[in-house]
Amino acid sequence: GAVVSQHPSRVICKSGTSVKIECRSLDFQATTMFWYRQFPKQSLMLMATSNEGSKATYEQGVEKDKFLINHASLTLSTLTVTSAHPEDSSFYICSASGERGGSNEQYFGPGTRLTVT
Amino acid sequence: RKEVEQDPGPFNVPEGATVAFNCTYSNSASQSFFWYRQDCRKEPKLLMSVYSSGNEDGRFTAQLNRASQYISLLIRDSKLSDSATYLCVVSLNAGKSTFGDGTTLTVKP
Repeated sequence: GAVVSQHPSRVICKSGTSVKIECRSLDFQATTMFWYRQFPKQSLMLMATSNEGSKATYEQGVEKDKFLINHASLTLSTLTVTSAHPEDSSFYICSASGERGGSNEQYFGPGTRLTVT
Repeated sequence: RKEVEQDPGPFNVPEGATVAFNCTYSNSASQSFFWYRQDCRKEPKLLMSVYSSGNEDGRFTAQLNRASQYISLLIRDSKLSDSATYLCVVSLNAGKSTFGDGTTLTVKP
């Protein structure tokens, strides 16, 4: 079954509004969570890495003031797209890494499709 | 040069065919290697990890050549359900991964 959930799965919002996406690890403690973005026909691009209780580390070219990441607990990370614009429309996927079943793997959420009109 | 490069594809093969995908990576300090499968508009799912000794899982065989910084995936006896995009993934340290652009496979009846 799913070990990482994301909510919402789809969201349509108007330009200028903010959207929050949640990523939860369901049966393990995720010490690290990653946020990726995927545009059509392109691969996943890492946006940022977040560790519980500390500030996220953003990849080059990703605006930290636009993409706010909060990793408040070992099971929840949120990504808020502030003042969304049509070019932010994309597939956002989180992944969680932590010990589960004796191994340390990365598990992906089902993704959130954001459409900004 | 991209950190992870894959065959551009697409690969269109008949059922039962054997198909091989290649991937090269640029950072010699990379530690972990994976093949993921991604279906259209879905999240990537781990297909298999790749080890230096090579590993096999049913019809799938993955190999790693650290000296050449090269990873491969071989699919034997292709099924219609194998149609997907296959992503080569390389990790430098725990969890942080770089994805290739993916190779699209279509298996036809």
